[in-house]
Amino acid sequence: DTAVSQTPKYLVTQMGNDKSIKCEQNLGHDTMYWYKQDSKKFLKIMFSYNNKELIINETVPNRFSPKSPDKAHLNLHINSLELGDSAVYFCASSSSSAKTQYFGPGTRLLVL
Amino acid sequence: SQKIEQNSEALNIQEGKTATLTCNYTNYSPAYLQWYRQDPGRGPVFLLLIRENEKEKRKERLKVTFDTTLKQSLFHITASQPADSATYLCALGGDFTGGGNKLTFGTGTQLKVEL
Repeated sequence: DTAVSQTPKYLVTQMGNDKSIKCEQNLGHDTMYWYKQDSKKFLKIMFSYNNKELIINETVPNRFSPKSPDKAHLNLHINSLELGDSAVYFCASSSSSAKTQYFGPGTRLLVL
Repeated sequence: SQKIEQNSEALNIQEGKTATLTCNYTNYSPAYLQWYRQDPGRGPVFLLLIRENEKEKRKERLKVTFDTTLKQSLFHITASQPADSATYLCALGGDFTGGGNKLTFGTGTQLKVEL
C-alpha cells in the first residue's frame, strides 16, 4: 500500500504550457505539503495545507496554485511553465500531533 | 537570514566504521531537528527526531546529538554498511500556527560506505 502517491512520475513539457501534479495520501493525515528540489538537491517548502486550509505559502510565483479538495488530496497547478520550473516536486503529509513528514516518490518535471 | 549547512563534500568511509555527519545552523531557534535519508530517485524518509531540550537520541545503529548552544547536530551511523549509502538531510522545524509543522532542510550530505 503506497502511503503518499503522486502522479505523474515524469512530466516533460514545453515552455508556456500549463500542467498539474496530483498527490494523494492514505495515512489519515490532516496536513499536506509541496516541496521543490532543484538540480543541486536543495529541498524547499512551497505550500502547506492543514484540513484543506492553506497555512504555509512561501515566496512562490503566482503561476503556482495549490488546491486541496479534501484532506487526503493536494494538487499543484502550474501556469505558463518556465525553464526554471524544471525540478523534482515532492508531496508530503503529516499529522498535526506528530512532526514526522512522509514524502511521496516525487514528480520529475522537465520544461523544454 | 536562516542558514543550514551540512558537510559540503561527499563523505566516503569504510564498511564497519562510524560515519559522522554534521548539521550547523545560524539565525534559527528550532523547536526540534529531524534527520531524513534520501536515496536516488526517491523521496526523503524520516529517520530520527530530537527536540530542543534533548541532548541525544538513539535508534538501533543511529545516534543524533543536538547542541543548541553550538547550534549544531551530529548524526552518527555505527558499524556502517554499504546499504547505508545515501544522501542524509537534516531539517529544522517548529510548530506553525494553524497546524502542521514547517521544516527547513539543509543541503544534504552524500554518504558512501565502501567495502
